Amino acid sequence: DAMVIQNPRYQVTQFGKPVTLSCSQTLNHNVMYWYQQKSSQAPKLLFHYYDKDFNNEADTPDNFQSRRPNTSFCFLDIRSPGLGDAAMYLCATSRGTSRETQYFGPGTRLLVL
Amino acid sequence: SQQGEEDPQALSIQEGENATMNCSYKTSINNLQWYRQNSGRGLVHLILIRSNEREKHSGRLRVTLDTSKKSSSLLITASRAADTASYFCATEGGTSYGKLTFGQGTILTVHP
Repeated sequence: DAMVIQNPRYQVTQFGKPVTLSCSQTLNHNVMYWYQQKSSQAPKLLFHYYDKDFNNEADTPDNFQSRRPNTSFCFLDIRSPGLGDAAMYLCATSRGTSRETQYFGPGTRLLVL
Repeated sequence: SQQGEEDPQALSIQEGENATMNCSYKTSINNLQWYRQNSGRGLVHLILIRSNEREKHSGRLRVTLDTSKKSSSLLITASRAADTASYFCATEGGTSYGKLTFGQGTILTVHP
């Protein structure tokens, strides 16, 4: 049974064309995270939501934004994708923020042409 | 700065052998977690060890934590071809509640 679902699994966009990646969860977790993982690199946290409270990492580019309309859904918006934004984008959830396991979705691989 | 660094970067073994991966970090932590990632997929949580614990077991996995050396190891015993994946350590820092900082990962290949 899928617990963290990401759509689409693969996304192709053009340079500068806005794109939205979607994540949903059936775990009713309070926290949702977005990570960026470039090829052969470690996942890097972009931001997270604790309920409706948004927490942006200091080095996350302004080009990346997020929305969480309800507990189950969270979106990653890339306003003007550049070639350097091509990566795997991973969504994760956890019950709380401290000493908690994070549950990851399968990821969306973004290709920018 | 990167928190976790893993060693080796790649490990190739035969089925049935044990695999040991090491992780070092730089600052104080609340806990350290190990995750597994199959090629092109999301991460799967394997084990969490708290800063006041020294060793934990889960099935064929054994994790140790030495806070004085700021290091951890993951041992997979009697490896199987299905264990082939990338393995990442991730640390939750002393003041960064909930923020996991991942190491670069170890690519494990288990040959049948």
